[in-house]
Amino acid sequence: EVQLVESGGGLVQPGRSLRLSCAASGFTFDEYAMHWVRQAPGKGLEWVSGITWNSGNIGYADSVKGRFTISRDNAKNSLYLQMNSLRPEDTALYYCVKDITGGGSSPFDYWGQGTLVTVSS
Amino acid sequence: EIVMTQSPATLSVAPGERVTLSCRASQSIGSNSVWYQQKPGQAPRLLIYGASTRATGIPARFSGSGSGTEFTLTISSLQSEDFALYYCQHFNIWPPNQTFGQGTKVEIK
Repeated sequence: EVQLVESGGGLVQPGRSLRLSCAASGFTFDEYAMHWVRQAPGKGLEWVSGITWNSGNIGYADSVKGRFTISRDNAKNSLYLQMNSLRPEDTALYYCVKDITGGGSSPFDYWGQGTLVTVSS
Repeated sequence: EIVMTQSPATLSVAPGERVTLSCRASQSIGSNSVWYQQKPGQAPRLLIYGASTRATGIPARFSGSGSGTEFTLTISSLQSEDFALYYCQHFNIWPPNQTFGQGTKVEIK
């Protein structure tokens, strides 16, 4: 059974940093691209960042480019999102998401339950 | 940048009725569309990809169609567990920035 378990969310002041983690199990992690998708309270889905199976391609939404960094450790079956210079508009539930393929431009077939990030003073 | 526009924003439907949700792409995306279902308090779930392929475990009452710029998700007979938000998305693009529609809420009539 595929499982994606996010952690690291919480309440943080504007301008501070937070690091999200996602522990993956139930599939061969190093064969698939992974993504972070967020959902602000009461709002729709927004793709945040993605990374291909071998970290060869990495992408970011314009809204987070230069502030967020995605990475993965295939040996640990883990995905990360380093979030710096956080803003109130980054407040959202952050989902760890598995891609159907390793290339990163395919549908998302499994989603974690999300970790809540709240940016507020 | 391709924009996905879903209509209507909200659909009021009685159980057992047939439901059709629409998604329009601002330019042709071939058959590279996806549908997700999101129930309150839950993560989204993949329903349909490649415009018409049901994901694993998705009941046959869900079907997708379309190509180019117009896509539809049809639920043949709405069940109580189908009241939810539905999002369309286009794929086959890197990075997949701004690829989701704004969602259609299917609520009980």
